[in-house]
Amino acid sequence: AQSVTQLDSQVPVFEEAPVELRCNYSSSVSVYLFWYVQYPNQGLQLLLKYLSGSTLVESINGFEAEFNKSQTSFHLRKPSVHISDTAEYFCAVSGRGQGGKLIFGQGTELSVKP
Amino acid sequence: EADIYQTPRYLVIGTGKKITLECSQTMGHDKMYWYQQDPGMELHLIHYSYGVNSTEKGDLSSESTVSRIRTEHFPLTLESARPSHTSQYLCASSEGSGGETQYFGPGTRLLVL
Repeated sequence: AQSVTQLDSQVPVFEEAPVELRCNYSSSVSVYLFWYVQYPNQGLQLLLKYLSGSTLVESINGFEAEFNKSQTSFHLRKPSVHISDTAEYFCAVSGRGQGGKLIFGQGTELSVKP
Repeated sequence: EADIYQTPRYLVIGTGKKITLECSQTMGHDKMYWYQQDPGMELHLIHYSYGVNSTEKGDLSSESTVSRIRTEHFPLTLESARPSHTSQYLCASSEGSGGETQYFGPGTRLLVL
């Protein structure tokens, strides 16, 4: 079984500041890791994912996340945020060989202020 | 652009009514999922399907039922709605053998009075 903990429920930050959204997971098997973003009144969209290979993965809009196996973490970072990054961010894990089902964290509300 | 649709987007209904939440996808995905999401909380998987005539219950117990008669359609039904069913319901689909991206619909916000 897997579980995901997002350590911050809300992260307020000023525009152009760096941000880190923290995610830790536990699993008895190897995992795939995901970050999804949910803008107001919309469904979730994939931001980035780690499957294998390089532990650093990037999204097209400047976010990156690093898989740290020893610390069982998959923190999301962006060096300079924009107002448009305001959204709810969900970390998720899927156990390898378990059919693709996702286990989600509680979500982190990122609020970017001008 | 993923094509997965949910109707209605919003539903206010009285206790005891039967409701069906619709979910359709045009991508030909074999796998489909229903999640329940309460405000400020994580998504919980309540049902999933790996193909036509295949449905399974998810990690969170739910009084709802689902069917999968056609690949593109995965409706969720509540026979008798109760206030405890008030929540947001998200449908998703995917294709692959693991690590694949799930594509989500916009969700249905259900309020049971």
